[in-house]
Amino acid sequence: QKEVEQNSGPLSVPEGAIASLNCTYSDRGSQSFFWYRQYSGKSPELIMFIYSNGDKEDGRFTAQLNKASQYVSLLIRDSQPSDSATYLCAVMGGGNKLTFGTGTQLKVEL
Amino acid sequence: DGGITQSPKYLFRKEGQNVTLSCEQNLNHDAMYWYRQDPGQGLRLIYYSQIVNDFQKGDIAEGYSVSREKKESFPLTVTSAQKNPTAFYLCASSIRWDFAYEQYFGPGTRLTVT
Repeated sequence: QKEVEQNSGPLSVPEGAIASLNCTYSDRGSQSFFWYRQYSGKSPELIMFIYSNGDKEDGRFTAQLNKASQYVSLLIRDSQPSDSATYLCAVMGGGNKLTFGTGTQLKVEL
Repeated sequence: DGGITQSPKYLFRKEGQNVTLSCEQNLNHDAMYWYRQDPGQGLRLIYYSQIVNDFQKGDIAEGYSVSREKKESFPLTVTSAQKNPTAFYLCASSIRWDFAYEQYFGPGTRLTVT
């Protein structure tokens, strides 16, 4: 079992729709959870982090965390073509080590 | 401008040659990291350094070496012992080791070994 799992996609959504990206993790002791956006050929960029169960909103982005289910998600409202990218879920476990998932490719179609 | 620079952007080498990838930051960050990214495999940690003159192996350190003689610099050498060196290499830094989540990434170096 991979430590951090994501569906590789591609996930296709129409412009203006809500995109929902999901991530599960295996280490129950994980404390911090992060979403990075990576455009093709570029380096990752941190867009959201969450530490507590529940929702955290920042503009069009909402991160959701459920530690009991070991599940974290990212919602992107009013999706735009510029949101088309690969979204990496990262989980921080013991020793402050950041473990990345393989990423979900999102395509926002006109 | 503050940030992390990696050079070169593209690097080509023949099999059996060692190659050194540059990473420099002017953010005054204590911690620095090297990751490797392969298609469909996400980012994997090669080495990290919590502070100058100190570094630790990550998950896939075999065939790689690093040094941290200056706070600003964390070069990565890909040796001939690395069996599959062709990959996208990313350097990152954070204020401190325990602020690992706020990692700022450099633009990356794409290494091709033939």
